[in-house]
Amino acid sequence: SQQGEEDPQALSIQEGENATMNCSYKTSINNLQWYRQNSGRGLVHLILIRSNEREKHSGRLRVTLDTSKKSSSLLITASRAADTASYFCANPTQGGSEKLVFGKGMKLTVNP
Amino acid sequence: NAGVMQNPRHLVRRRGQEARLRCSPMKGHSHVYWYRQLPEEGLKFMVYLQKENIIDESGMPKERFSAEFPKEGPSILRIQQVVRGDSAAYFCASSPGRGNQPQHFGDGTRLSIL
Repeated sequence: SQQGEEDPQALSIQEGENATMNCSYKTSINNLQWYRQNSGRGLVHLILIRSNEREKHSGRLRVTLDTSKKSSSLLITASRAADTASYFCANPTQGGSEKLVFGKGMKLTVNP
Repeated sequence: NAGVMQNPRHLVRRRGQEARLRCSPMKGHSHVYWYRQLPEEGLKFMVYLQKENIIDESGMPKERFSAEFPKEGPSILRIQQVVRGDSAAYFCASSPGRGNQPQHFGDGTRLSIL
């Protein structure tokens, strides 16, 4: 299976703290993507990191990619209550349809 | 700039009925993906379409499920003779093309089977 897995599966922190989520995948990739899903809503694309990139920043988000370990991490700095959501990593299959293969997700709760 | 629009947001059907889920991609996007999400799970790919063509339906159950993306109008995911196990959230995503392009998701249709 190509399915990625997020770790930990649930994380509860206080506002202002940093949150780190890890993702492992099984096959070679062209890119890895992180999405956020608020309860009852669709997925919102956060950041895409290409296989030749090691780190990428977007606002309070920092993503790293280690292709030798087939892993990625998402760091959210200075978390806010509004960051409470489920977070998914996903990699598109190479060639063909580039359908996204998702992990089960990680539920982040930021307490005010 | 309207995002991906899905309707209805909630759909209730009795066993044996048909369910039709609609998806209008973002303007300028010609690639549509359908995914299914069970509670507390990630999304699972079902089918990938471009205008008038099914490109990859490897995630679609062989029976009762069909999808289309006509030249005019939204993409439709159709489930015939629904069963309890079809209860899930169905998401549509669109992208402008392939090659390191993120997919943009709608808010989904939550299908409940009585």
